[in-house]
Amino acid sequence: SQKIEQNSEALNIQEGKTATLTCNYTNYSPAYLQWYRQDPGRGPVFLLLIRENEKEKRKERLKVTFDTTLKQSLFHITASQPADSATYLCALDMPQNDMRFGAGTRLTVKP
Amino acid sequence: GAVVSQHPSWVICKSGTSVKIECRSLDFQATTMFWYRQFPKQSLMLMATSNEGSKATYEQGVEKDKFLINHASLTLSTLTVTSAHPEDSSFYICSASPGGNYNSPLHFGNGTRLTVT
Repeated sequence: SQKIEQNSEALNIQEGKTATLTCNYTNYSPAYLQWYRQDPGRGPVFLLLIRENEKEKRKERLKVTFDTTLKQSLFHITASQPADSATYLCALDMPQNDMRFGAGTRLTVKP
Repeated sequence: GAVVSQHPSWVICKSGTSVKIECRSLDFQATTMFWYRQFPKQSLMLMATSNEGSKATYEQGVEKDKFLINHASLTLSTLTVTSAHPEDSSFYICSASPGGNYNSPLHFGNGTRLTVT
């Protein structure tokens, strides 16, 4: 079965640095991969979608890469700010036409 | 932007009672909505796919008689937790997509914190 692994449960970085979060998957290669942000007690909020034929996608300070050979997506936040502190989830489309989520990485940006 | 509203945001109920959670798409029609459960520090676990005008599709291991789903209109899906027990205490979240297909970005409600005493 498909496994989705996000590199670490928690990541602490200093304000201004670049945060890099990892999403690895096994078996089935998704056609799409999405990243969401979730704040405590709230529902996830969509950030970026990247397709299998796209290597990289950018949106303001966010950058996502998708390497189908490595079965990995990297999510970068440049010039990080304390307001970026949240849990970030990756999600993959599945053969049965639904989305499956990773457990998330809790990012803390310290001032 | 597309908005999904979920109500209530939290509920406390006694063991054995039933609780209904509503999920509404406020500015778009959703033929499909998704219901998730999330335990602390864990991922969103898909429980079921709610289909307007037809039966919901439940994930393996989810009891359809316990978690009743009704999707009676294009903007409303409800999840009823019947005969709730303490182990049903969790964070329940719904989502829908204006794009209408499974690979479009999902818009989530803000979740319902259920506590069963």
